[in-house]
Amino acid sequence: GENVEQHPSTLSVQEGDSAVIKCTYSDSASNYFPWYKQELGKRPQLIIDIRSNVGEKKDQRIAVTLNKTAKHFSLHITETQPEDSAVYFCAPTGGSNYKLTFGKGTLLTVNP
Amino acid sequence: KAGVTQTPRYLIKTRGQQVTLSCSPISGHRSVSWYQQTPGQGLQFLFEYFSETQRNKGNFPGRFSGRQFSNSRSEMNVSTLELGDSALYLCASRPAGLFQETQYFGPGTRLLVL
Repeated sequence: GENVEQHPSTLSVQEGDSAVIKCTYSDSASNYFPWYKQELGKRPQLIIDIRSNVGEKKDQRIAVTLNKTAKHFSLHITETQPEDSAVYFCAPTGGSNYKLTFGKGTLLTVNP
Repeated sequence: KAGVTQTPRYLIKTRGQQVTLSCSPISGHRSVSWYQQTPGQGLQFLFEYFSETQRNKGNFPGRFSGRQFSNSRSEMNVSTLELGDSALYLCASRPAGLFQETQYFGPGTRLLVL
């Protein structure tokens, strides 16, 4: 099965700083790389995703980069705001990963 | 379209009892997955159903089971409840066509086992 590791497990930044969360996976057949955001007491929601034929994707203040050779992808948040405070999960998918393995999550706290 | 719904939202049971949770996917979504979320273990995959068939199963004991109906609604059942089954149970649906891997989550059912 897929081994998924997410780092760091907690991240505290000042408002306006950047935040980077890294997800490492083991299944080389994975071809879809999403990031989900879960605010306190709410359901996880997709915030950005990337496919294996693309190296980087941006959507306003968030971006995802993919390194298929090294089997990792990262979430980048620039100009962080207090509303970015949440738990972020990666979930590399495809290949044998029909077991839909999620990373253990990163708790991001943005301090005003 | 209406989002994924789950019932009940909260549940308190005692050890040894069984429980059934329900999930209604987004209209047109044929795949429903179930997850257990706990503070220590994050989101753990239980199983996925597609067209009334279990397509894959996570590493949970046989006390955890599920099914899917012809209208794509899904139920999961946990028998002989243990204290460690206390968790938030999330279901997620997706269309499951080509390039349709995004999971759309429900609000969850919070289960407390006493």
